[in-house]
Amino acid sequence: ETGVTQTPRHLVMGMTNKKSLKCEQHLGHNAMYWYKQSAKKPLELMFVYNFKEQTENNSVPSRFSPECPNSSHLFLHLHTLQPEDSALYLCASSQEWVDFSTNEKLFFGSGTQLSVL
Amino acid sequence: GNSVTQMEGPVTLSEEAFLTINCTYTATGYPSLFWYVQYPGEGLQLLLKATKADDKGSNKGFEATYRKETTSFHLEKGSVQVSDSAVYFCALRGNAGGTSYGKLTFGQGTILTVHP
Repeated sequence: ETGVTQTPRHLVMGMTNKKSLKCEQHLGHNAMYWYKQSAKKPLELMFVYNFKEQTENNSVPSRFSPECPNSSHLFLHLHTLQPEDSALYLCASSQEWVDFSTNEKLFFGSGTQLSVL
Repeated sequence: GNSVTQMEGPVTLSEEAFLTINCTYTATGYPSLFWYVQYPGEGLQLLLKATKADDKGSNKGFEATYRKETTSFHLEKGSVQVSDSAVYFCALRGNAGGTSYGKLTFGQGTILTVHP
């Protein structure tokens, strides 16, 4: 148990649906991240929030919309997705976005396995 | 930009075999290097790290040495166990002086399966 909780664990949606992924951490971290994990491809950083402000958007299509209402919660709103968006979506947190302390590390959730039909 | 290349998987070994998973990188500046492990049904966990050339990271019997001359950070374990079956990710973080300051870049992951 890493302290980062993602819900739901599995999600199946049609291309016209709207759904949201939720991530929650109570580790006192200030940075939260969304990653996309597709088979046989590098883990892709999608978004970074540092102190509730978005600091990274790695050219992610607008059908993915992040929201960070406070430093403990991060959402990923999904709308009109494509089948190629099917993947494991991982949330992570760290003390700060740039953290060079001796205990630096990312804490990952277990992910939401998304299937788009 | 930065990139990480891992050996193609899957890797299948018998228990107590020697493991090597190759990782090479391209980066500007002096990146920090990491290995993450993802057990079935779980998120990624940091396995080990090295922050400067010739550093050796180690944890749970796994080791990796930061080789700047060959831009490599190969993961090794002398005797694998069934419980080591997982996906292993090599990653780098750009440090000050590089163009990707603070960003983690991952490889594509290598699936390891260990049979009894």
